[in-house]
Amino acid sequence: QVQLQESGPGLVKPSQTLSLTCTVSGGSISSGNYYWTWIRQPAGKGLEWIGRFYTGPSTNYDPSLYNPSLKSRVIISLDTSKNQFSLKLTSVTAADTAVYYCARDPGYSSGWHYFDYWGQGTLVTVSS
Amino acid sequence: DIQMTQSPSSLSASVGDRVTITCRASQSISSYLNWYQQRRGQAPKLLIYAASSLQSGVPSRFSGSGSGTDFTLTISSLQPEDIATYYCQQSYNTPPTFGQGTKVEIK
Repeated sequence: QVQLQESGPGLVKPSQTLSLTCTVSGGSISSGNYYWTWIRQPAGKGLEWIGRFYTGPSTNYDPSLYNPSLKSRVIISLDTSKNQFSLKLTSVTAADTAVYYCARDPGYSSGWHYFDYWGQGTLVTVSS
Repeated sequence: DIQMTQSPSSLSASVGDRVTITCRASQSISSYLNWYQQRRGQAPKLLIYAASSLQSGVPSRFSGSGSGTDFTLTISSLQPEDIATYYCQQSYNTPPTFGQGTKVEIK
């Protein structure tokens, strides 16, 4: 059973960088054709896809893909030795306050993209 | 971005009732539509993918239908544990986008 768990600071100051890590257990992050994804949800609001990082044998394209609304501030990376993937969001403002979820998208193999495993979520507040 | 619009935004129904939630896309998305359930304080849970495919382990009272721009999620017999907010999500193109949610309560 695949499990995901977010970790990182719960409070970040404005203009600084938000850094979160998602630890994956129950399977290797580098095996299989998956997109490892970050999604966020401001309090009382809907869900926003942040971006994803692809793991698999194909080397024909950029493994990372980001929401255009955040692209200039986001980096998603993998640490296969720790079975983790990470999110960095720079120059944060109060608008970035949200619960941040990591999730898995198995869509590369089947062509059907969806989020089948999720972390429990971690609240990040941007405030001085 | 493709806009996803759900209706109603909230509903109240009795245990055993049939409940239907609709989702409309701003352009055709074929069958690239997923449904999630989010209970209070929890992460979303995948219910339906590819418009009508039931995710493993999800009770059969949940079903999905539709294609193109109009989709429905149906709960055939509402149970107390179905109290949650339900979201549709399109995966036709990037960025994937979600509806605003439909909150389901027990009458």
